[in-house]
This record gives sequence, structure tokens and C-alpha cells, in this order.
Amino acid sequence: QVHLQQWGAGLLKPSETLSVTCALYGTSFSVYQWSWIRQAPGRGLEWIGQITQSGSATYNPSFKSRVTMSVDTSKKQFSLNLSSVIAADTAVYYCARGLTRRSPFDSWGQGTLVIVSS
Amino acid sequence: SYELTQPVSVSVALGQTARLTCGGDNIGTKNVHWYQQKPGQAPLLVIQRSKNRPSAIPERFSGSNSGDTATLTITGAQAGDEADYHCQAWDSDTSIFGGGTKLTVL
Repeated sequence: QVHLQQWGAGLLKPSETLSVTCALYGTSFSVYQWSWIRQAPGRGLEWIGQITQSGSATYNPSFKSRVTMSVDTSKKQFSLNLSSVIAADTAVYYCARGLTRRSPFDSWGQGTLVIVSS
Repeated sequence: SYELTQPVSVSVALGQTARLTCGGDNIGTKNVHWYQQKPGQAPLLVIQRSKNRPSAIPERFSGSNSGDTATLTITGAQAGDEADYHCQAWDSDTSIFGGGTKLTVL
């Protein structure tokens, strides 16, 4: 059974760097694309970007200057870093799996709530 | 940039048919995916590539896509179908989501 388990710091101050990690269980790492998606309180979903096992990443232009994604193949984990956070970055951050670059997201992590507040 | 437009809310009587729309410029040329999201939970894929149901999704969920509108249809809506529904498509190499529709089953 596929399971994505994620974690990260839940409370940040403005200008700090958000960091969330997602570990994979019951699924191949190499076959799929791995995305980060966020949802601000009471709002819709917003795709941040995706990465392959080889570390090739594609970012949403809205985040491109602040986002970095990385992989740790030995641990079957991938991570999101978002720098210079502001209050508007307060959201639940999800990791998700897609079969190819433009596939639907067929498995999701449980979500990590990150609050940005001074 | 490409946008997907969903009504904020839709209501349906128990056992009746709900139709949730997702509008976009020439969206009929794209693959549209639909997700159900219940409070406090991660989204769940219910329709992929406009009209295909993942194996675990009940047959009452169906999808269509033509022109400028994609539609998720729930035939015989149940109380457990009350949730937010999000449509999603890819524009070049960027994934786009609609704003989501809250479905209320009366």
C-alpha cells in the first residue's frame, strides 16, 4: 500500500525558510514524479513544483525565485524548501505522486500545517 | 496564465444528480482531473483524464469534458459525498487548480 509520510517545522517567522520532507513507503521512487502542493486556509490548491528521482525539478513560476526541491534516494525522501516566507505562505503543504510529468496526483501525504507569524 | 473557474458552492438533494463544472479556455483539449477533499483530509483523486474513474471510486462518479467546460457528475448523491471538489489540469509544464466547489447534500 502506498503511503507518503511528511513532516516539517510548523511555526516560522517572516523571512525564515520553510522546510518540509516527504518519505515514501510501498512505492517505487524512480518511476514517478513527486510534487508539492499547498492550500492556504479556506482556499484552493496551489501547485508549487515537482521533482524526479534524478533531481530534475520543475517549478511553478509563481515560486521560482524562492523554491528549492531536493531528493535523497537512499532514504526514499524528497524535500521542499521555500525561502523568505511571509504570512501569505501560511498553508497546509502536501506532497503528492504523479506517474508522469503531466499526470494526475494519485497519492498524497497527510499534509503539514505551516504557520508564518511574527 | 491559464485559469480554471469553479462555482463556489453547489447543493443537491439526497439521491439526486449533482453536476460540478470547471471552466477554462478550450478546456476540452486538456486532460482534467477531479479531487474530492473532506475536512481535515488530503485530496482524493476521483476522476482522471476527464472521464476515467480510479478503481476504488464508486460508479456514481463520472466525468465529461468539451468546449470550455469540464463536468464532474455524481449520480445519486449520498451524504458521504458532501465535500470540496477541485479540478486540475496542466498548462505547459505547470499544474493549475480551480478554486474548488463545496458540495452540500441536502
